[in-house]
Amino acid sequence: TQLLEQSPQFLSIQEGENLTVYCNSSSVFSSLQWYRQEPGEGPVLLVTVVTGGEVKKLKRLTFQFGDARKDSSLHITAAQPGDTGLYLCAGARTGGGNKLTFGTGTQLKVEL
Amino acid sequence: NAGVMQNPRHLVRRRGQEARLRCSPMKGHSHVYWYRQLPEEGLKFMVYLQKENIIDESGMPKERFSAEFPKEGPSILRIQQVVRGDSAAYFCASSPLQGQGEAFFGQGTRLTVV
Repeated sequence: TQLLEQSPQFLSIQEGENLTVYCNSSSVFSSLQWYRQEPGEGPVLLVTVVTGGEVKKLKRLTFQFGDARKDSSLHITAAQPGDTGLYLCAGARTGGGNKLTFGTGTQLKVEL
Repeated sequence: NAGVMQNPRHLVRRRGQEARLRCSPMKGHSHVYWYRQLPEEGLKFMVYLQKENIIDESGMPKERFSAEFPKEGPSILRIQQVVRGDSAAYFCASSPLQGQGEAFFGQGTRLTVV
């Protein structure tokens, strides 16, 4: 059972466009992380959100944690080719340490 | 994530051999997690360890796989009698004692069983 569903699975856009990636679950998480992974490399942590309704910004990236802490979104403004990569959301549950359940992933390609 | 060191980066083993994957966590981190990423699949949790203790091994296959995190030295993920289906990228992550769920990943070990 995949507890975290991401959409879309694949996204190919032109430089300068905006995009939103969604991460949905029927389960509640104590925190949620977003990672980006490039081919042949490990996931790199982008952000951690812990409070329902929380919004965090990282340059052109905006992350939101749902009020009920079951879902999250990642919005990229004016995408650039350097944003290309696999975006992964991952949730941690209370009492589980930092054991993470990963989403299905969104493969983003930004073309010139 | 450069702080989490995994070696080797690439490992080739013949069927039936043993594979040993090593992970040194970031300085100050006492929690280590192993994940496996099969081709065309997502990252799946395998095991969670603290120094000298296995906390959660619910994601570990019942046979041939074992993990340890000794008092001194790196964490080791050991796969005995490897089979082709074990071919995957194995990632180690570490987190500090008082974390908020974030974990920092190493660059992974890519195991190929031939």
